[in-house]
Amino acid sequence: DAKTTQPPSMDCAEGRAANLPCNHSTISGNEYVYWYRQIHSQGPQYIIHGLKNNETNEMASLIITEDRKSSTLILPHATLRDTAVYYCIALSTDKLIFGTGTRLQVFP
Amino acid sequence: EAQVTQNPRYLITVTGKKLTVTCSQNMNHEYMSWYRQDPGLGLRQIYYSMNVEVTDKGDVPEGYKVSRKEKRNFPLILESPSPNQTSLYFCASSLSGGLPTTDTQYFGPGTRLTVL
Repeated sequence: DAKTTQPPSMDCAEGRAANLPCNHSTISGNEYVYWYRQIHSQGPQYIIHGLKNNETNEMASLIITEDRKSSTLILPHATLRDTAVYYCIALSTDKLIFGTGTRLQVFP
Repeated sequence: EAQVTQNPRYLITVTGKKLTVTCSQNMNHEYMSWYRQDPGLGLRQIYYSMNVEVTDKGDVPEGYKVSRKEKRNFPLILESPSPNQTSLYFCASSLSGGLPTTDTQYFGPGTRLTVL
């Protein structure tokens, strides 16, 4: 599985868009990009995943660059409840490998 | 409600006293897995199971046992717990019995274990 690199922390004002970057320059053609988040010490929660195309669901949007070496998770209107650690994972085998993620702090 | 449940949620025990942490899912998922989470080390997989009676070691299986006698249950057994097994444990499940590459994992609420 490709290694991913994320900034350790980010801040975002409530109501604004939160853009969380992820670098996965060694990703291979069959590796999906997954995003999970973990609020405080709760179980990780799935957000979104994609392979090549940009994806959107009720929680977020995922923008993957054309060369697939990086991606951005977008929370369009961040709320205080979005404060969490966000994990970007490049996955091709049968297990998720969580890195240290990005701690997103949403402030009022 | 679709969910993964774990019991107990909190447990304090002493070295060497056998314990079992239960995990159950009500989604008819084939794949189940156990992780532990430690500060600075992130989430690491302990064991996983592709289906009933099929289990495999993850990255940190030492000191743990699992069983998968029924599809819905995947208990984690610590035969002789030691202080280095103090951690936050998560059970997870997903639909696919094969590669969950396009399949999301659902996590339980976690079990905080302290071994004295």
